[in-house]
Formats: sequence, structure tokens, C-alpha cells
Amino acid sequence: GNSVTQMEGPVTLSEEAFLTINCTYTATGYPSLFWYVQYPGEGLQLLLKATKADDKGSNKGFEATYRKETTSFHLEKGSVQVSDSAVYFCALSRIQGAQKLVFGQGTRLTINP
Amino acid sequence: SQTIHQWPATLVQPVGSPLSLECTVEGTSNPNLYWYRQAAGRGLQLLFYSVGIGQISSEVPQNLSASRPQDRQFILSSKKLLLSDSGFYLCAWSVFTAGVNSPLHFGNGTRLTVT
Repeated sequence: GNSVTQMEGPVTLSEEAFLTINCTYTATGYPSLFWYVQYPGEGLQLLLKATKADDKGSNKGFEATYRKETTSFHLEKGSVQVSDSAVYFCALSRIQGAQKLVFGQGTRLTINP
Repeated sequence: SQTIHQWPATLVQPVGSPLSLECTVEGTSNPNLYWYRQAAGRGLQLLFYSVGIGQISSEVPQNLSASRPQDRQFILSSKKLLLSDSGFYLCAWSVFTAGVNSPLHFGNGTRLTVT
């Protein structure tokens, strides 16, 4: 079946550190891949997406590249800020019509000043 | 612009009591609507989705039900809550246009505690 596995959290970094949150997936066909972010007390917001192999999604300094050969979609940022503290979810989209996302378990990121 | 509203933001209910959570979407027509649940320490699980009025698909067997009485309204219900129903419930919408799905747009969620 379709599934998403994310790096275990929580992750704690200092401001301006380099961030990587690993995400790998199992899917039939060619899913679209997403990163969502959940700030404290809020719902989820789309951070970035990629719809086909070798696509790179980017937003707010975050990047992730759709790697079909390694079935991965790792999230990276070169220099994190305190305001990046949140829970990050990797997800894949299973299909047409209704977009039924399959989420990873989430990774809590805390950035210390 | 499109907006999505969920209420209430928090809810504490005793075991065995009924539940009704509402979600409305404004600024778009014929959206696909979704209910997700985030249990403590776990990822999000799709509970129900709807592609139109009166059309409900259930993803997992459970103590909950969903209804869509109007195009922009999606309701999550239970007749008798269980302790295991506690969690953070998120409503979301997307549109499917010209063979392409928009990303999901989430509401701010309802934190339900069953005591």
C-alpha cells in the first residue's frame, strides 16, 4: 500500500543551522509529494510540493527534491530561524478526483535562539 | 478568496455523549471536503471525504460519521463518544479542475478531549 515514513523527532537546532528532515515513501504509480507545516495551535499549511520525478519544490527558503530512484523527498533549509519552529509533515497524494493525502507521522522542529 | 472555518476550536465531552463538528468553506464551488484526525503523537489519518452534496466516503471503520448537507458544509458526528475519539480534527478542502487537483487547504482544527 501507500505509506510515508518520516525522520523521528523531535529535532532541536540552533538558529542559522542547516536543516534536513528525511522523508521516504512507498507508492504505486507516480504520486505527488508534499510538505505541510503546522505552527503551534494552527491547522496545516502547504509548504511546498513536487508532482513528478526530479521536480524541486521550494518556499520560504525550504527545498525538497522528488527522487524516484530513492523514493525520497527530504526537506532542507540552509539557515533556520526561530520562527521555523513547527511540526512538519511529509505526504503523498494517492489520486484523482478526491485528493486523498497519506501523511507521515510528523517531525517536531524546535529552533533555539 | 477562499476561506475555511471550523468550530469549535476546543471541546471537552464525556464518554457516551454525542458529537457534532462543523466545517464550512467560502469562496469556492463544488469543493472536495475532507475530515482528518491527528491522534496524540501520531500523524494525520483521513477519516472521510466528500466529492459532492450527500456523497460521503469512509476511509476507516470507526465510531464517527460524516454528512454534507450543503455544497460548502461538512459535518462530523458521533452518537456516543469513546475515549479513543480524542484527538485533533482537521477539515480540509480542495478543488479538482481540468484534471488537476489543487493542494489541500486546512482549517485550524478542533481539539477534542473525551473524558
